[in-house]
Amino acid sequence: KQEVTQIPAALSVPEGENLVLNCSFTDSAIYNLQWFRQDPGKGLTSLLLIQSSQREQTSGRLNASLDKSSGRSTLYIAASQPGDSATYLCAVRGIQGAQKLVFGQGTRLTINP
Amino acid sequence: GAVVSQHPSRVICKSGTSVKIECRSLDFQATTMFWYRQFPKQSLMLMATSNEGSKATYEQGVEKDKFLINHASLTLSTLTVTSAHPEDSSFYICSARDLTREGYGYTFGSGTRLTVV
Repeated sequence: KQEVTQIPAALSVPEGENLVLNCSFTDSAIYNLQWFRQDPGKGLTSLLLIQSSQREQTSGRLNASLDKSSGRSTLYIAASQPGDSATYLCAVRGIQGAQKLVFGQGTRLTINP
Repeated sequence: GAVVSQHPSRVICKSGTSVKIECRSLDFQATTMFWYRQFPKQSLMLMATSNEGSKATYEQGVEKDKFLINHASLTLSTLTVTSAHPEDSSFYICSARDLTREGYGYTFGSGTRLTVV
């Protein structure tokens, strides 16, 4: 059974800092990994999608890496801004069956002005 | 592209009544949609997989008679919480994936906050 873990559970940093969020998964047989952002009381916004054959994806100040063999992914946020404050979730999509997403518990990020 | 619309965004209902939540794929067809439940400050828990034209597949521990799912068309899935009780109060989110865009991941609705009083 796939398990996804995100560390840390919460992170508070001053504005302007670069930061890294971590995601690990137990079963390397994945189709892809997706990073989402969730604002309080809102749905999920997809940030980056990394296919199993890829090593990283970049979008603006965000860079996500994937090391499938070790079961790890990181989300790097450069020059953080208060608007980046949200909960960040990673999810892996399996290659079997309905290809469901399995989510981590999320990292609650606060960027202090 | 790949937009999922979910309604209502908030609903308050009395204990014992039923509530229907709609999930629509606006610009693509979705043979499969997923329904999640999220408790405060927790991650998403998959409740069921909605399959167009056939029965939904429920995750272990989810009561199918309480959470009725109907996926009657390629763009609409509904979740009905029957005989709602206060413990059913939660945030419900649906998602779908555009199968014609293989390089894209899952798209999520904006969620429905259900409060049962």
